[in-house]
Amino acid sequence: GDSVTQMEGPVTLSEEACLTINCTYTATGYPSLFWYVQYPGEGLQLLLKATKADDKGSNKGFEATYRKETTSFHLEKGSVQVSDSAVYFCALSHSGAGSYQLTFGKGTKLSVIP
Amino acid sequence: SQTIHQWPATLVQPVGSPLSLECTVEGTSNPNLYWYRQAAGRGLQLLFYSVGIGQISSEVPQNLSASRPQDRQFILSSKKLLLSDSGFYLCAWSVPIGERETQYFGPGTRLLVL
Repeated sequence: GDSVTQMEGPVTLSEEACLTINCTYTATGYPSLFWYVQYPGEGLQLLLKATKADDKGSNKGFEATYRKETTSFHLEKGSVQVSDSAVYFCALSHSGAGSYQLTFGKGTKLSVIP
Repeated sequence: SQTIHQWPATLVQPVGSPLSLECTVEGTSNPNLYWYRQAAGRGLQLLFYSVGIGQISSEVPQNLSASRPQDRQFILSSKKLLLSDSGFYLCAWSVPIGERETQYFGPGTRLLVL
């Protein structure tokens, strides 16, 4: 079945450092790929998405490129801020019985220190 | 714009007691609706999804059930809670956009079973 593997956390960075969170997937067909962010005590917010190979999703300085040849969707940001501290989830969607279901990675906790 | 509400925000219940969590969506019609559980250290697990009133699909056998009495209302229930039901419950909605679908999450309900 479908699966998503993302790098283990926690990740601790200093403010203005570069961020990369690796995400690889296993899926049949052509899934859509997503990054969600969860701030402490809150629900998940959609950060960015890509629906086909070579698409680049971007939002709030974060970006990720859908790489079908390496089945990857790594999240990157050039300069992190303290406010980026959160848990980041990589996910893919696949169709089934009239609905699209998300398969999530286990999440990567990011802490950014001043 | 669309909004999703969940209540209660936090709930502490004794083992063996009943449960009812509610999710409502505003600003859209005929959404697909989802219930997820996020247990500590275990990532997100899809519990139920619904593509219409009275239509419920279960992903994981358990002592929980779901109902959709109205188009934009989704309820998660249990007759007798177990300790293992503790977790963070997230409701999500989506509207199909072509062949791809993006899910949007509510603020969540934190359930502690003692």
